[in-house]
Amino acid sequence: EAQVTQNPRYLITVTGKKLTVTCSQNMNHEYMSWYRQDPGLGLRQIYYSMNVEVTDKGDVPEGYKVSRKEKRNFPLILESPSPNQTSLYFCASSLFRDRGGYTFGSGTRLTVV
Amino acid sequence: SQQGEEDPQALSIQEGENATMNCSYKTSINNLQWYRQNSGRGLVHLILIRSNEREKHSGRLRVTLDTSKKSSSLLITASRAADTASYFCATPGGAGGTSYGKLTFGQGTILTVHP
Repeated sequence: EAQVTQNPRYLITVTGKKLTVTCSQNMNHEYMSWYRQDPGLGLRQIYYSMNVEVTDKGDVPEGYKVSRKEKRNFPLILESPSPNQTSLYFCASSLFRDRGGYTFGSGTRLTVV
Repeated sequence: SQQGEEDPQALSIQEGENATMNCSYKTSINNLQWYRQNSGRGLVHLILIRSNEREKHSGRLRVTLDTSKKSSSLLITASRAADTASYFCATPGGAGGTSYGKLTFGQGTILTVHP
């Protein structure tokens, strides 16, 4: 089944403890993105990638890192999580730049205490 | 920065009625997308309309795009309780109105369809 898989689905962690949220797609998509969704603020793009080793900042990149060493994987790294990074995170991928939509993962609900 | 802004923020209708949601954006684009999100779940792509298209249909969905007014509308005809969800428009955030992977979402319209 064609899908974007995020792990974990839920995570509670403590301030400052490095964590990685994994994202993998099995559709050979070029484009991948990370978003966070917060009440009243909608979805905001954190980072995106156009291909292997090509990434760029979205609207809210502070406090996050990404890497794209393989086409299928696009992990989101929080080196030193803080409570303001408590949010619902989504990974998404697309084959086309401007001709098709993105396929979203099921989300990761992160709580930083 | 918010490129797309949806209106209304919330919409409540009865089953069988039509639902119309609007999206306005600020800069030139080469396409606009609509997505649906059921509560707390991942977004689902509904439809993409290009800047040279004025109207597009997909099943019970009808999307219009007016580039002169920088606005789009999503019409769901003969709505069903299963259409209850949040609906978002998304626009490319790259130079020249294209994407290169950068996509900006509006804050969404919450649609409730009562049986």
